[in-house]
Amino acid sequence: SQTIHQWPATLVQPVGSPLSLECTVEGTSNPNLYWYRQAAGRGLQLLFYSVGIGQISSEVPQNLSASRPQDRQFILSSKKLLLSDSGFYLCAWSLLAYNEQFFGPGTRLTVL
Amino acid sequence: DQQVKQNSPSLSVQEGRISILNCDYTNSMFDYFLWYKKYPAEGPTFLISISSIKDKNEDGRFTVFLNKSAKHLSLHIVPSQPGDSAVYFCAASAAHNYGQNFVFGPGTRLSVLP
Repeated sequence: SQTIHQWPATLVQPVGSPLSLECTVEGTSNPNLYWYRQAAGRGLQLLFYSVGIGQISSEVPQNLSASRPQDRQFILSSKKLLLSDSGFYLCAWSLLAYNEQFFGPGTRLTVL
Repeated sequence: DQQVKQNSPSLSVQEGRISILNCDYTNSMFDYFLWYKKYPAEGPTFLISISSIKDKNEDGRFTVFLNKSAKHLSLHIVPSQPGDSAVYFCAASAAHNYGQNFVFGPGTRLSVLP
């Protein structure tokens, strides 16, 4: 069966510090991968998606970036965090773009 | 411009009664719809889907209804249980347009009271 992992589970970082969140998927090949953010009291905002290694599409311009160095690994990064980057970050995978997505446990990021 | 709307931020229902969660969309190209359930500090879990070729899909206590002319779908939970208390997200996609990702609504927080 397929599983999706995210780490860390929680993170507290000062403004201006770098960020690296990692997501890995097991039990499937060539998944579509997604990064979402859920800000407090708001819905899920798609940040990035990837249909293959090295292929990243950005949905929202911001100071975050994503990379997919391996088929089942998706990384969300920032060189300098802003206060507005605080939120709950979710990684998800799907077999195809229009299939249901399966979400990881999420990372709670607090920028102080 | 919000393409997927869930106009009720919260809903309270008595245990055993029906919960009806509503979702409206504006993009007539959307043809595949999903409902997700999310507990605090966890990732959303997929509940049920419906394609635009159907107007109803049922899975146990969960039924999704789609009214294409009104661009409206609803999730019915019968009977409601305390464990159903969570945030429910509606998501829509133009499935036949490859790379068209899902657009999520803002969510409705359901509280099922014992």
